[in-house]
Amino acid sequence: DSGVTQTPKHLITATGQRVTLRCSPRSGDLSVYWYQQSLDQGLQFLIQYYNGEERAKGNILERFSAQQFPDLHSELNLSSLELGDSALYFCASTGREATDTQYFGPGTRLTVL
Amino acid sequence: QQPVQSPQAVILREGEDAVINCSSSKALYSVHWYRQKHGEAPVFLMILLKGGEQKGHDKISASFNEKKQQSSLYLTASQLSYSGTYFCGTASGSNYKLTFGKGTLLTVNP
Repeated sequence: DSGVTQTPKHLITATGQRVTLRCSPRSGDLSVYWYQQSLDQGLQFLIQYYNGEERAKGNILERFSAQQFPDLHSELNLSSLELGDSALYFCASTGREATDTQYFGPGTRLTVL
Repeated sequence: QQPVQSPQAVILREGEDAVINCSSSKALYSVHWYRQKHGEAPVFLMILLKGGEQKGHDKISASFNEKKQQSSLYLTASQLSYSGTYFCGTASGSNYKLTFGKGTLLTVNP
């Protein structure tokens, strides 16, 4: 158990819908990272937050948005969903330093029908 | 641009050594290594920053050659638990904007 929690574990929805994925970092960790993993695109970095502020942005679509709240949990919002958004979404957390060990959550498997 | 990993797959017997390479066409600031077992989340292994620093823990180590824009992951005296897909992620700046390779599937047999 990494100490990072993600909810829900599985999500099945229809095209055009909007969903929210939630991530709670390890106690004391300030940074949250979001990743997408699919068979087509492989592993992709989406976005990083540090203590509530966006720190780095990767291949995140405009239909996707994220935020980190004062209690340091983070949410990834996916809207106008398309079939190609079906993937595993992982979050990870680290401490103060970018070189600290990242701890991954178990992931949310999103299926868009 | 996506880094290139080689080999794509490798099969070892327990106790053998392996090297996985990660090459980029862009100047690199950092290289990140992860291992992922089937059906599980990735596990972070290490980060290497430019400067040719070599890192390691247990029997897994890595080097970063910034002149060649290449990193290598060394697995020594492999164990069954080393099986999985290894990914490298590279960043060209000090921010965390990582691009991942397609992965190297490592299988360790008894």
